Amino acid sequence: QQPVQSPQAVILREGEDAVINCSSSKALYSVHWYRQKHGEAPVFLMILLKGGEQKGHEKISASFNEKKQQSSLYLTASQLSYSGTYFCGTERGGGSEKLVFGKGTKLTVNP
Amino acid sequence: EAGVAQSPRYKIIEKRQSVAFWCNPISGHATLYWYQQILGQGPKLLIQFQNNGVVDDSQLPKDRFSAERLKGVDSTLKIQPAKLEDSAVYLCASSLGRVYNEQFFGPGTRLTVL
Repeated sequence: QQPVQSPQAVILREGEDAVINCSSSKALYSVHWYRQKHGEAPVFLMILLKGGEQKGHEKISASFNEKKQQSSLYLTASQLSYSGTYFCGTERGGGSEKLVFGKGTKLTVNP
Repeated sequence: EAGVAQSPRYKIIEKRQSVAFWCNPISGHATLYWYQQILGQGPKLLIQFQNNGVVDDSQLPKDRFSAERLKGVDSTLKIQPAKLEDSAVYLCASSLGRVYNEQFFGPGTRLTVL
């Protein structure tokens, strides 16, 4: 039931792009993305809903493939501040807001 | 707007002792969550409240963990007795409670059980 994230870790140079993937074996209703910096609380990035609606920050883009139960987070022109661990949380039931988080993808952006 | 408050920030106890964590959600947020985050893992939902009612507690080890949310505002999570494997960060989060709203997380309580 726990979504699978890939890659587990990625190292970038400032300005490079990255894609983080999240997949589930179960039908999904929504996918939520959070970023957590070391020693801090997770911070909301985006929600993607079945049907195509999205809510989130303007500078973050993501996709949700309902047929494949997959979501991808696109980080373009990365900045040092993008460093952290990215978690996807998946919701199966409509409106329950119960999220199951993946194990995370650690992103390191170097100068 | 004040964020989600949690206390204490750190706690060290010996196994078989009891411990309690407190959470004050963002004002007006109807939904409150307690998560357990073990080092290197994603947050795992322990219990979810909608106002002062329990929506989901399927992953709460009820033989040792308990939680309450009095008057639909503050919440307390208790562990009694603690085990070594309970060492983790306990995160409290809140949301408006309407569908598809973001969750706001508190700074967490880091529990070490010796």
